[in-house]
Amino acid sequence: DGGITQSPKYLFRKEGQNVTLSCEQNLNHDAMYWYRQDPGQGLRLIYYSQIVNDFQKGDIAEGYSVSREKKESFPLTVTSAQKNPTAFYLCASSMMMVISGELFFGEGSRLTVL
Amino acid sequence: KNEVEQSPQNLTAQEGEFITINCSYSVGISALHWLQQHPGGGIVSLFMLSSGKKKHGRLIATINIQEKHSSLHITASHPRDSAVYICAVFLNTDKLIFGTGTRLQVFP
Repeated sequence: DGGITQSPKYLFRKEGQNVTLSCEQNLNHDAMYWYRQDPGQGLRLIYYSQIVNDFQKGDIAEGYSVSREKKESFPLTVTSAQKNPTAFYLCASSMMMVISGELFFGEGSRLTVL
Repeated sequence: KNEVEQSPQNLTAQEGEFITINCSYSVGISALHWLQQHPGGGIVSLFMLSSGKKKHGRLIATINIQEKHSSLHITASHPRDSAVYICAVFLNTDKLIFGTGTRLQVFP
């Protein structure tokens, strides 16, 4: 079945450590996105990519980095520069940029910084 | 003021009741999206609409562009409908803004 796979589902890290969240899709979608969800807030866009080897900052990109070396994969690294990294992270994809198509989401990754 | 406001924030219902969740927005949009977030966290797209009304099973979504308002209705609610329902609007600038969600609990 086609879909988006995020891993790990739960992750704990110590302060000062970088951590990478995986996002893989087999939907043949061009566009991929990373969102952050905090209690009481709407999803906020971290980074997005419309095509391989290209990505753009979203509204809250500071302290995060991404890569898009393959169409299927869009990993997110939460660096030690991110001041408040504990959150729920969601990866999404769409056929083209959001305005044109339906969004498909993964199951999310919950990161807790100890 | 948030650009997208949902009401109510929390909603409880008895099985079989008719449910309405509202979404109001203050900006020009090209389309609106209703999403369902399961207790485990995954999100599923329910509807994307830019005018009128759409129906899928027991779910109905309506939008009034002039009044900047959309509603999601659930007929004959069931405990498996318990989830967070999120409204998201596509701005004319291609940006997507999410509401904070409505948490629905349906009891048997």
